Amino acid sequence: AQRVTQPEKLLSVFKGAPVELKCNYSYSGSPELFWYVQYSRQRLQLLLRHISRESIKGFTADLNKGETSFHLKKPFAQEEDSAMYYCALSGMIKAAGNKLTFGGGTRVLVKP
Amino acid sequence: DTGVSQDPRHKITKRGQNVTFRCDPISEHNRLYWYRQTLGQGPEFLTYFQNEAQLEKSRLLSDRFSAERPKGSFSTLEIQRTEQGDSAMYLCASSLATAGELFFGEGSRLTVL
Repeated sequence: AQRVTQPEKLLSVFKGAPVELKCNYSYSGSPELFWYVQYSRQRLQLLLRHISRESIKGFTADLNKGETSFHLKKPFAQEEDSAMYYCALSGMIKAAGNKLTFGGGTRVLVKP
Repeated sequence: DTGVSQDPRHKITKRGQNVTFRCDPISEHNRLYWYRQTLGQGPEFLTYFQNEAQLEKSRLLSDRFSAERPKGSFSTLEIQRTEQGDSAMYLCASSLATAGELFFGEGSRLTVL
């Protein structure tokens, strides 16, 4: 079974402060990990995925297989980063398609 | 707008009635997914199609739920004899078989009174 845990329901930070969203997963094989974001009144959209190893909007995430974690980080939060963030996992099994298992989400509030 | 579209956006119904949601995926995408999201939770997988074939259904999907994708394009999700516990946002997403990214619609919110 695959599971994704986001322990923080809400993160409130001041503009310019660092922000880190925690994500832990359980999966017996080699997973593919994603962060999806939902801004106010917008649809859920991909922020980044671990295999691309790129920084999007200043966010980075490193897959740590030893700790089974995929934490999302940004050194200097901006007000436009206020949103709902979901960590998601896809099993590397072709038969499972691209089916994603989502965590419960973390709401980020960046205060001015 | 060539993104995933869902209809209706909101549906209010009485307990025991049937409801149907429609999803139009991005045209070249051969995979289509249905998810359910309740307040304070992440999206929960329901089922997915590759072209017209329904390849997986969640064990959480009761017999009252049925989904179709008859021509491998749009899909419908029907809920029969709705219950108050069915109240949720129903999300549709599509993707290419060769790519990991899912593209989501804006969702259909169901309220069962």
